Amino acid sequence: KAGVTQTPRYLIKTRGQQVTLSCSPISGHRSVSWYQQTPGQGLQFLFEYFSETQRNKGNFPGRFSGRQFSNSRSEMNVSTLELGDSALYLCASSLKSMDSPLHFGNGTRLTVT
Amino acid sequence: ILNVEQSPQSLHVQEGDSTNFTCSFPSSNFYALHWYRWETAKSPEALFVMTLNGDEKKKGRISATLNTKEGYSYLYIKGSQPEDSATYLCALGPGAGNMLTFGGGTRLMVKP
Repeated sequence: KAGVTQTPRYLIKTRGQQVTLSCSPISGHRSVSWYQQTPGQGLQFLFEYFSETQRNKGNFPGRFSGRQFSNSRSEMNVSTLELGDSALYLCASSLKSMDSPLHFGNGTRLTVT
Repeated sequence: ILNVEQSPQSLHVQEGDSTNFTCSFPSSNFYALHWYRWETAKSPEALFVMTLNGDEKKKGRISATLNTKEGYSYLYIKGSQPEDSATYLCALGPGAGNMLTFGGGTRLMVKP
């Protein structure tokens, strides 16, 4: 069974630009969640989608948005990039939307210059 | 805002040593406690999900216990091996959804 796939693996963007990250979950998994990892803050929850609906949103500004498609694939968008958005963005899928382990992708490393 | 604390932050042990680390969390409104192992250059890998007070889970040489009344979980590694070197993360799950609150992690280094 293929794991969670995130693309691209690396991105370099300039302040003010926008970026879209993609995540393909494990087949059959309907819950997709996104996390941001920075050295100072650790892993922080961004949002979760289940059956194309956003179920939860973390404490991030409105510049961070996402969506989920009918095939459970998810995208995350960050507009008007700031230097502080430089981070590793991890996507995770799970079978259920509670109580089941998360399966993480390898992440997208975003650098904002 | 939930506060999930892990201790120690880092740990150096010799191959063959047994070790354990702690995850502390608010005991009120508990639902689920997750443990993950994150090796360098890889993605976090789920170890355990525990929901019941007194839960004990085991996977090979790694085991975990949960005390929801006092708000802590222990992760034990018996006979550490160099391949156990990783960051071990615990995370608290809410009543619904996968909005996990992660601790800062314990970085384990096992010397051969």
